Amino acid sequence: DGGITQSPKYLFRKEGQNVTLSCEQNLNHDAMYWYRQDPGQGLRLIYYSQIVNDFQKGDIAEGYSVSREKKESFPLTVTSAQKNPTAFYLCASSPRGDGYTFGSGTRLTVV
Amino acid sequence: SQQGEEDPQALSIQEGENATMNCSYKTSINNLQWYRQNSGRGLVHLILIRSNEREKHSGRLRVTLDTSKKSSSLLITASRAADTASYFCATDRNTGGFKTIFGAGTRLFVKA
Repeated sequence: DGGITQSPKYLFRKEGQNVTLSCEQNLNHDAMYWYRQDPGQGLRLIYYSQIVNDFQKGDIAEGYSVSREKKESFPLTVTSAQKNPTAFYLCASSPRGDGYTFGSGTRLTVV
Repeated sequence: SQQGEEDPQALSIQEGENATMNCSYKTSINNLQWYRQNSGRGLVHLILIRSNEREKHSGRLRVTLDTSKKSSSLLITASRAADTASYFCATDRNTGGFKTIFGAGTRLFVKA
């Protein structure tokens, strides 16, 4: 079955530590996205990529970094520069001009 | 700024009743999408309606789009307890820059 896989489901980060969230899709979608969701809130765009080896900042890119070396993969690194990283992170992919397919999310907590 | 804004923020109904959620947006769009999110899970795409369409159905879901009022509604008929979730609209703009903007969602609670 085609889909989008995020891992891990839960992640704990110590102060000053970088962590990387994985996102893999086998839908052959060109575009991939990372969103952050805080409790009771909507989705805010962190980064997006519409083609391999290219990505763009979203509304809240500070403290985050991404890469898009393969069409299937779009990992997100939460760096120590992100001062309030505790949130639910959602990865999505889409073909051009159509609805999104979302992963099941990664819940990141700072300890 | 939010492109899509859902109304109401929260809705509580009895099983069997209909649930109506509204979405307003600000700029011209190519399409509008509705998604559902169960607690702690990813979003699931429900339905996409294009700017030249006025109404679309999918099972118990009915979506309308009024581009003159820049608004859309999602109707869930004969609701079930399993419909309890948050519902988001997302608008795909036809102006420059990144196109798809999500609203803050309507939290629907269906009481059995």
